[in-house]
Amino acid sequence: ETGVTQSPTHLIKTRGQQVTLRCSSQSGHNTVSWYQQALGQGPQFIFQYYREEENGRGNFPPRFSGLQFPNYSSELNVNALELDDSALYLCASSYFWGQGGEQYFGPGTRLTVT
Amino acid sequence: DAKTTQPTSMDCAEGRAANLPCNHSTISGNEYVYWYRQIHSQGPQYIIHGLKNNETNEMASLIITEDRKSSTLILPHATLRDTAVYYCIVRLSGGGADGLTFGKGTHLIIQP
Repeated sequence: ETGVTQSPTHLIKTRGQQVTLRCSSQSGHNTVSWYQQALGQGPQFIFQYYREEENGRGNFPPRFSGLQFPNYSSELNVNALELDDSALYLCASSYFWGQGGEQYFGPGTRLTVT
Repeated sequence: DAKTTQPTSMDCAEGRAANLPCNHSTISGNEYVYWYRQIHSQGPQYIIHGLKNNETNEMASLIITEDRKSSTLILPHATLRDTAVYYCIVRLSGGGADGLTFGKGTHLIIQP
């Protein structure tokens, strides 16, 4: 069974640019969540996708957007990058999330904004 | 979701049981207790979760007090690879559209 994978591993962007991060969920999982983890902090929930629709969102501005595809893989898009967007971006997938299941995380993408 | 309180850091000798406490005094009856850990710069790893009863799996045991206001994660035979930040998280059962709310966690250091 393949776990959650993310690409790329590392990325360097310039302030004002746009970035797309990708996530492949664990086999059989239909829910994908994205988190941002700044250095020295715990992960913060950005949003969640279920059946290709966003169905939950944390305290992040609209320039953070996403997609989920029919195969349950997902993308996180960030527009107009700011220096504070530098962080580890984590993707997590789950199946019975609404019924008390478990959420499994990928290794993350380290984004540096200069 | 209810908030949790954990010690900032703990030490444990290799081979001994590591007992990590968590207070969640405002937990409601339909909130789960989840434990995750994160080894430096890696994604968080699911350990265990429970609602009311004690739980055990191949990684750890979760002991929840009868009043559910606190819990303890037990790693029965700690190894150096168990050095990590451990997060205790309370999450609403049926809260399908929410994520996990991570606090600062406990930095567990296993000493050789």
